[in-house]
Amino acid sequence: DIQMTQSPSSLSASVGDRVTITCRASQGIRNDLGWYQQKPGKAPKRLIYAASSLQSGVPSRFSGSGSGTEFTLTISSLQPEDFATYYCLQHNSYPLTFGPGTKVDIK
Amino acid sequence: EVQLVESGGGLVQPGGSLRLSCAASGFTFSSYAMHWVRQAPGKGLEYVSAISSNGGSTYYANSVKGRFTISRDNSKNTLYLQMGSLRAEDMAVYYCATSSSWYSTFDYWGQGTLVTVSS
Repeated sequence: DIQMTQSPSSLSASVGDRVTITCRASQGIRNDLGWYQQKPGKAPKRLIYAASSLQSGVPSRFSGSGSGTEFTLTISSLQPEDFATYYCLQHNSYPLTFGPGTKVDIK
Repeated sequence: EVQLVESGGGLVQPGGSLRLSCAASGFTFSSYAMHWVRQAPGKGLEYVSAISSNGGSTYYANSVKGRFTISRDNSKNTLYLQMGSLRAEDMAVYYCATSSSWYSTFDYWGQGTLVTVSS
């Protein structure tokens, strides 16, 4: 099974900050990775697919990069509505696996 | 507009059974692979099961293999998860999700249905 790790597990940031979250795969997954945002009591919402493609309707302050085993999600200027938990998901091989999540809260 | 609406969750005793449904609309259901993902209270997301667009292929996480069965009825645009021999660790919100193919990421998610396993 491919293991996914995320760092940091949580972070505190202020509105306007640049935030970077890293996801690492235990083996190469090409660019078969998506990023999801989840707010309390809500379903996850896709932000990024194919590691770096922005989902339609998602603000351009979100961006993704990486390939192989290391990936990043960047929020260029954090907004109040961005406080949430972020997960990566590899879909290169079964079982599909999620990262453990990164909780972004208000400093 | 794509809609996925889960139902069937509730309280069940350990060892019991439950069937979840996911009613789909707003897209060509029969063209999409479908998935179940769960989230225990306060925990992260866990992949549970998948079924191909025509139902010919299925996948189960080791944690549910032999106890859960995924199926779909393309004539009713509905996905199912038959859950048996339920354990306390199966307690979670269960989400259904779509993907355009067997090896693609999830496009849309339902709102989830809560399964509580307790005596």
